[in-house]
Amino acid sequence: EVQLVESGGGLVQPGGSLRLSCAASGFIFSSFWMSWVRHAPGRGLEWVANIRPDGSEEQYVDSMKGRFTISRDNTKNSLYLQMNSLRAEDTAVYYCARFSRSGGSYWGQGTLVTVSS
Amino acid sequence: DVVMTQSPLSLPVTPGQPASISCRSSQSLVDRDGNTFLHWFQLRPGQSPRRLFYKVSNRDPGVPDRFSGSGSGTDFTLKLSRVEAEDVGLYYCMQGTHWPWTFGQGTKVEIK
Repeated sequence: EVQLVESGGGLVQPGGSLRLSCAASGFIFSSFWMSWVRHAPGRGLEWVANIRPDGSEEQYVDSMKGRFTISRDNTKNSLYLQMNSLRAEDTAVYYCARFSRSGGSYWGQGTLVTVSS
Repeated sequence: DVVMTQSPLSLPVTPGQPASISCRSSQSLVDRDGNTFLHWFQLRPGQSPRRLFYKVSNRDPGVPDRFSGSGSGTDFTLKLSRVEAEDVGLYYCMQGTHWPWTFGQGTKVEIK
């Protein structure tokens, strides 16, 4: 069974940083693209970033490029999202996802990030 | 970026009655290989997003057959033949053809 478990969310001040983690199990992690997606109440769902199975390619939504960095450690079956220069509008539940446009769609339970002073 | 526009944004429904959500994209979602990466998601309160359909009309495992997806090009529809209480939540269309992948604004389905 595919399982994705996020951690690392919390309260952070504007301008601060946070690193989210996602522990994956139940599948061959190193074979799949992985993603981060966020849901901000009142603002809806928003794709954040994707990363290639071997980590050699990353894709970002423009508003997060330069501030967020997606990475992975295939030896630890783990996905990460480093978030810097956080803004109030980054407040959201962040989901780790294994998503295929033509195949399976698996999501974690999410971790809440609140950016506030 | 491709803009996805859903309507209505709020949908009060009577259990047992049909319901329909429209989704329009600002450009064609057909890629060079002829694939249309239009997906539908359900977001129930307190739960993770659940994809209902991929590539317009391909039902994900476990999705009841009272749900159906249709459309082509820039116009797409999610239909529920008979709404049940468990269908309450937010519904989003999403395009995965053009990067960045984008979602519609969401449609809130609630029971009358």
